[in-house]
Amino acid sequence: DAGVTQSPTHLIKTRGQQVTLRCSPKSGHDTVSWYQQALGQGPQFIFQYYEEEERQRGNFPDRFSGHQFPNYSSELNVNALLLGDSALYLCASNRPAGTGKETQYFGPGTRLLVL
Amino acid sequence: AQRVTQPEKLLSVFKGAPVELKCNYSYSGSPELFWYVQYSRQRLQLLLRHISRESIKGFTADLNKGETSFHLKKPFAQEEDSAMYYCAPYGAGGTSYGKLTFGQGTILTVHP
Repeated sequence: DAGVTQSPTHLIKTRGQQVTLRCSPKSGHDTVSWYQQALGQGPQFIFQYYEEEERQRGNFPDRFSGHQFPNYSSELNVNALLLGDSALYLCASNRPAGTGKETQYFGPGTRLLVL
Repeated sequence: AQRVTQPEKLLSVFKGAPVELKCNYSYSGSPELFWYVQYSRQRLQLLLRHISRESIKGFTADLNKGETSFHLKKPFAQEEDSAMYYCAPYGAGGTSYGKLTFGQGTILTVHP
């Protein structure tokens, strides 16, 4: 099992553009969370997807949206990019809640640079 | 609002010395407490989970609910412990369910 995988690894965009980041969860996991990690900061929770719906959301504007597919993979979309959106975007997955194993496992991240 | 404070951004010790990385949290409800670690050029990974009460790589952490602290300790630091460490409460219910709240992290450097 490769664990959580993310693509692409790096991305350069310009202000105003839109971007889509992708995540495949660890085998056996059905819940996907997205985090933004700015330089020198800890990761900040963006949102979480479960059963193809957004279950929980952090303090991020509506420009940040997501999707989860029937195979549990997920996408993060950011519209109207701002310079401040430059960050490492982390995806994490966990097993179904209630199994006692809700530890979140992280992917390697996608580094986004907005110019 | 949930808040996690890791007061030391940088911590340096010598090999064999004890190390303590501090974490204080302000959180509604009863969160579950985690420590995550990121070694150089590696992904963020779980180091310790309070509910498991496991000692991983010699690290332990005691939850003090009165002081709302979850300090990470190791009696004898090794060079391979050099990494970034994050304390992260995990929401177990309500509006915090499923959400990790990370501190700013502490960079630990263990000198030979």
